[in-house]
Amino acid sequence: DAGVTQSPTHLIKTRGQHVTLRCSPISGHKSVSWYQQVLGQGPQFIFQYYEKEERGRGNFPDRFSARQFPNYSSELNVNALLLGDSALYLCASSFEDSREKLFFGSGTQLSVL
Amino acid sequence: TQLLEQSPQFLSIQEGENLTVYCNSSSVFSSLQWYRQEPGEGPVLLVTVVTGGEVKKLKRLTFQFGDARKDSSLHITAAQTGDTGLYLCAGGFMEYGNKLVFGAGTILRVKS
Repeated sequence: DAGVTQSPTHLIKTRGQHVTLRCSPISGHKSVSWYQQVLGQGPQFIFQYYEKEERGRGNFPDRFSARQFPNYSSELNVNALLLGDSALYLCASSFEDSREKLFFGSGTQLSVL
Repeated sequence: TQLLEQSPQFLSIQEGENLTVYCNSSSVFSSLQWYRQEPGEGPVLLVTVVTGGEVKKLKRLTFQFGDARKDSSLHITAAQTGDTGLYLCAGGFMEYGNKLVFGAGTILRVKS
């Protein structure tokens, strides 16, 4: 069975640009969460979606937005990129609307120059 | 101030040695999870503990949850080079809803 898949794996952008990151959850999983992991730190919660509804939002500016599609895949959008947005963006899926038993993808490494 | 503190930040040991990693908070965890992350990969769930005083074993790894549910430890017996990686604890807190709060992690390096 396929795990959580994220695309692209690596991305280089310049300041001020916009980026869209994509995530496909494990088949049957209805919840998707997004995390940002800066080098040397643990993942920081950005959003959680369940059944296409936002269930939680972390302490991130409005430049960050996300959505979940009917097939439970998800997109994370970041506008007006800043140098500080450079990080590994992780997507995690779970079967239920829960923080328990998260399965993470390998992430998208975003570099903002 | 971090909601969740991990220690030590970095650990370098020889193969065969034992080690313990700690995770502490001033708040009560509703649940606590331990993950292991390798470079270029996402975290992989090792264990979830929920009940105060709970002890779980996974081969050479022993996980303990404090009686007051404010602390946890991960003990590795006879470390192997394959144990090298970033160990993260992540806590659920009632006041933070469905958000999982991660610690900064402990980088473990096991030398042969």
